Amino acid sequence: DSGVTQTPKHLITATGQRVTLRCSPRSGDLSVYWYQQSLDQGLQFLIHYYNGEERAKGNILERFSAQQFPDLHSELNLSSLELGDSALYFCASSTFDRGEGQYFGPGTRLTVT
Amino acid sequence: GENVEQHPSTLSVQEGDSAVIKCTYSDSASNYFPWYKQELGKRPQLIIDIRSNVGEKKDQRIAVTLNKTAKHFSLHITETQPEDSAVYFCAARGYSGGSNYKLTFGKGTLLTVNP
Repeated sequence: DSGVTQTPKHLITATGQRVTLRCSPRSGDLSVYWYQQSLDQGLQFLIHYYNGEERAKGNILERFSAQQFPDLHSELNLSSLELGDSALYFCASSTFDRGEGQYFGPGTRLTVT
Repeated sequence: GENVEQHPSTLSVQEGDSAVIKCTYSDSASNYFPWYKQELGKRPQLIIDIRSNVGEKKDQRIAVTLNKTAKHFSLHITETQPEDSAVYFCAARGYSGGSNYKLTFGKGTLLTVNP
């Protein structure tokens, strides 16, 4: 157990809908990173927050957004969902903001039908 | 941006043999290289990492080597055991503007250790 928690574990929704994924980092970690994992694209970095501030963006679609709250938990919002958004979404956390020592949560499996 | 190539995509070894997985990266500014192990249906787990000022790092049966000139790094697992069977991912940390960083992952290697 890495100490990073994610909810929900599974999510099934229809095209066009909006969902919110939640992540709580390890105690003491200030950074949260979001990743998308699919069979064809592998592990893709989406976005990084450090102590409430957005730090880096990767291949994140405009339909996706995220935020980190004062208690350091983070939410990833996915809207206007398409079939191709079906994937595993992981968050990871680390102590500092340099991308080192990232520990992953158990992931949320999103299925868009 | 950074591009990470990982080889082989699948690797099958006999229990007790060694396994080597290789990665190359494109951005010479990348300076941190972690390796993750992901068992089926589980989260990626950080197993070892290396910084660019170090050429080799060992932790029991696993070791990572880095050749900055050639821009490649490798994972070595000795005395493999069936529980080593998993997908292994390499990654390279590059810059994402200013002093911000991001990890770029390889496509993964499915390692199977046969008893």
